[in-house]
Amino acid sequence: EIVLTQSPATLSLSPGERATLSCRASQNVRSYLGWYQQKPGQAPRLLIYDASNRATGIPARFSGSGSGTDFTLTISSLEPEDFAVYSCQQRLNWPLTFGGGTKVE
Amino acid sequence: QVQLVQSGAEVKKPGASVKVSCEASGYIINDYYMNWVRQAPGQGLEWMGRINPISGGTNYAQNFQGRVTMTRDSSTGTAYMELSRLTYDDTAVYYCARSHDNWFDFWGQGTLVTVSS
Repeated sequence: EIVLTQSPATLSLSPGERATLSCRASQNVRSYLGWYQQKPGQAPRLLIYDASNRATGIPARFSGSGSGTDFTLTISSLEPEDFAVYSCQQRLNWPLTFGGGTKVE
Repeated sequence: QVQLVQSGAEVKKPGASVKVSCEASGYIINDYYMNWVRQAPGQGLEWMGRINPISGGTNYAQNFQGRVTMTRDSSTGTAYMELSRLTYDDTAVYYCARSHDNWFDFWGQGTLVTVSS
């Protein structure tokens, strides 16, 4: 099973600041990594797939990068609605696995 | 618009089974796998498995092999997930989620399953 480790666990920032979130895979997942946003009491929402592709309707301030084992989600300038938990997911191997999440507060 | 509507919250005793439903609409059901993902309180997301809407074939995560059964009713566009031999560790929100290339692009609202004596 591929283990995804996210850091930091919590990121304390202010609106307008830049957020940089990390996801590290226990083995090479090529570019098969995605990111989700989840707000309290809501289901996750797909932000990024295949490392760097924004999902439909996702604002341009969200960007993804990386390949192999190290990946980054960047939010260029935080909006009030961006404060949430962000999780990464790999789709290279079964079972599909998620990271533990980073809370942006 | 795509909608996945799940059944309501459940309270079950240890050792019992629970069956959660997910009614899909707004898209061609046969074009997408349906998955089940759970989230224990304060924890991360855990993929449980998926079902092929056409054949009914399933792929289950090893952690749930022998305890989970996923089915679908093609006539109503509804998917079901049944989990047996419940323990306290199965207390979680259970989500159905449509997948495209194994990315989860639409999710149900979640169903809270509480295991309590």
